[in-house]
Amino acid sequence: KAGVTQTPRYLIKTRGQQVTLSCSPISGHRSVSWYQQTPGQGLQFLFEYFSETQRNKGNFPGRFSGRQFSNSRSEMNVSTLELGDSALYLCASSLAQGETEAFFGQGTRLTVV
Amino acid sequence: QKEVEQDPGPLSVPEGAIVSLNCTYSNSAFQYFMWYRQYSRKGPELLMYTYSSGNKEDGRFTAQVDKSSKYISLFIRDSQPSDSATYLCAMTLPSGATNKLIFGTGTLLAVQP
Repeated sequence: KAGVTQTPRYLIKTRGQQVTLSCSPISGHRSVSWYQQTPGQGLQFLFEYFSETQRNKGNFPGRFSGRQFSNSRSEMNVSTLELGDSALYLCASSLAQGETEAFFGQGTRLTVV
Repeated sequence: QKEVEQDPGPLSVPEGAIVSLNCTYSNSAFQYFMWYRQYSRKGPELLMYTYSSGNKEDGRFTAQVDKSSKYISLFIRDSQPSDSATYLCAMTLPSGATNKLIFGTGTLLAVQP
């Protein structure tokens, strides 16, 4: 059974640009959550999606957005990139809403220069 | 004060030692507790998942939850160099409305051969 797939694995962008990251959850899983991981702040919750609806959002500016498609795949977008957005972005897959066992992908390493 | 506190280490032990990793938390409503292992440049891997207070054992790993003290532990017996990684505790509320995880900052463990 395939795990959580995140693409791309690595990304380098310039300040002011925008970026889209993709996550394919484990087959049959319908809930996707996104996290930002930095050395200083650790893992911080961005948002979660279930049945194409955003169910919860973390304390991040509006430049961070996401969506989920009918096949449960999810994308997150960051607009007007800042140097501080450099981080490992992780996607977690869960069977359903309220199913707290979460399985993570390998992450997308974003570097903003 | 962070909701979840975890000693960042680094923790260095000889091969074969018993390792004790700990987290404290402030929100008494947390009901589900998890331990993840993260190797360098990889996504977190779910190791242990426990509900409420008590112990859970899986091979060389034992997870303990003491809700009265708001304290959770992960014990690794007969530690191996392959156990060298960052260990993250995570917890969440009992509500079925969210899969949001609150993470500790992680403890870096090095097992010396």
